Amino acid sequence: RKEVEQDPGPFNVPEGATVAFNCTYSNSASQSFFWYRQDCRKEPKLLMSVYSSGNEDGRFTAQLNRASQYISLLIRDSKLSDSATYLCVVNGAGNNRKLIWGLGTSLAVNP
Amino acid sequence: DGGITQSPKYLFRKEGQNVTLSCEQNLNHDAMYWYRQDPGQGLRLIYYSQIVNDFQKGDIAEGYSVSREKKESFPLTVTSAQKNPTAFYLCASRTGATNEKLFFGSGTQLSVL
Repeated sequence: RKEVEQDPGPFNVPEGATVAFNCTYSNSASQSFFWYRQDCRKEPKLLMSVYSSGNEDGRFTAQLNRASQYISLLIRDSKLSDSATYLCVVNGAGNNRKLIWGLGTSLAVNP
Repeated sequence: DGGITQSPKYLFRKEGQNVTLSCEQNLNHDAMYWYRQDPGQGLRLIYYSQIVNDFQKGDIAEGYSVSREKKESFPLTVTSAQKNPTAFYLCASRTGATNEKLFFGSGTQLSVL
């Protein structure tokens, strides 16, 4: 099992739709979780951290399910500008707390 | 403005040549990282440095070298020993070992002539 797994997609949705991505992780000792957004040929940018209680930022909601070892990202009222690849990031266990990156989920929002 | 600057944006390497990618940050961050990204692949860690004059190998360090003589600078050299260097290279930094939020430079696309 990969340390961090994401459905690569692509997810094709119309404007205004609600779309959700999941990301599973294998190390139950992981403590920190993040969603990054990456546009084509650009650097990743932090979208949001994922807290145990869940968190919301405008149209974006992130949740953590420790029992099933996955995090989720929900995007409501999709905009054309949301088209990008969404990367799930999980910190590793141990002293170096290395970040483990998923391969990303591709989202295309269509007019 | 504070940030991370990578240069050049595009770089071409000839066979047998060493090339150096620049990464400079003025965020006063302690830790700096180099990642490689191939099409359809996740980010893979090449080297990282948590403090000046110290650096550690990541998952794919073979064929690469780094230095950290100044807090602001973390250059990456792609040596001739790296047989498949074509990739998108990303430099990142963060404030400390306990803060895992990364700030990235805009990347360097390296291609082989």
